[in-house]
Amino acid sequence: GDSVTQMEGPVTLSEEAFLTINCTYTATGYPSLFWYVQYPGEGLQLLLKATKADDKGSNKGFEATYRKETTSFHLEKGSVQVSDSAVYFCALSVPGGATNKLIFGTGTLLAVQP
Amino acid sequence: EPEVTQTPSHQVTQMGQEVILRCVPISNHLYFYWYRQILGQKVEFLVSFYNNEISEKSEIFDDQFSVERPDGSNFTLKIRSTKLEDSAMYFCASFRGGITEAFFGQGTRLTVV
Repeated sequence: GDSVTQMEGPVTLSEEAFLTINCTYTATGYPSLFWYVQYPGEGLQLLLKATKADDKGSNKGFEATYRKETTSFHLEKGSVQVSDSAVYFCALSVPGGATNKLIFGTGTLLAVQP
Repeated sequence: EPEVTQTPSHQVTQMGQEVILRCVPISNHLYFYWYRQILGQKVEFLVSFYNNEISEKSEIFDDQFSVERPDGSNFTLKIRSTKLEDSAMYFCASFRGGITEAFFGQGTRLTVV
């Protein structure tokens, strides 16, 4: 079945460090890929998305490229801030049909220290 | 910006009691979902609802769970007889369709004691 495998956390970085959180997927069909972020005590917010191969999603300095050949959608940011501390979830959905549910990875806790 | 709203934000209930979690999805969305996140664990799909009926449900969504869209705006999740292991954050989401994204509510934290 469809699944998402995400890098285990926690990831602890100093401010201004480079961030990579790895995400790979298994899917039938042609999934859309997402990164959601959950700040402490809050709900899930969409961070970025990509809907087809080679698309790059970007938002707030974060980027991820949909790589079909490696079935990956790694999240990167060049210079993290303390305010980026949160749990990051990689997710996929397969468009079409009557469901379009999201399948989430396990989440990666990012802690950025000043 | 339109948003998904959930009430209550936190509910404490005794084991065996019924609870109803409420959600108001975004008005022009067609697909509605409930997800669950047990503390510190992954977000799990419970059920999807489309065209006034359940379109898919997970193994977690057993006979103790039900969903309704009673009045065309609210979307509710009912747990008939809560168990300790139902303690979790429950997220409602709605989705317009196509290649857009799902929008999530802030969640209801359910604590079963």
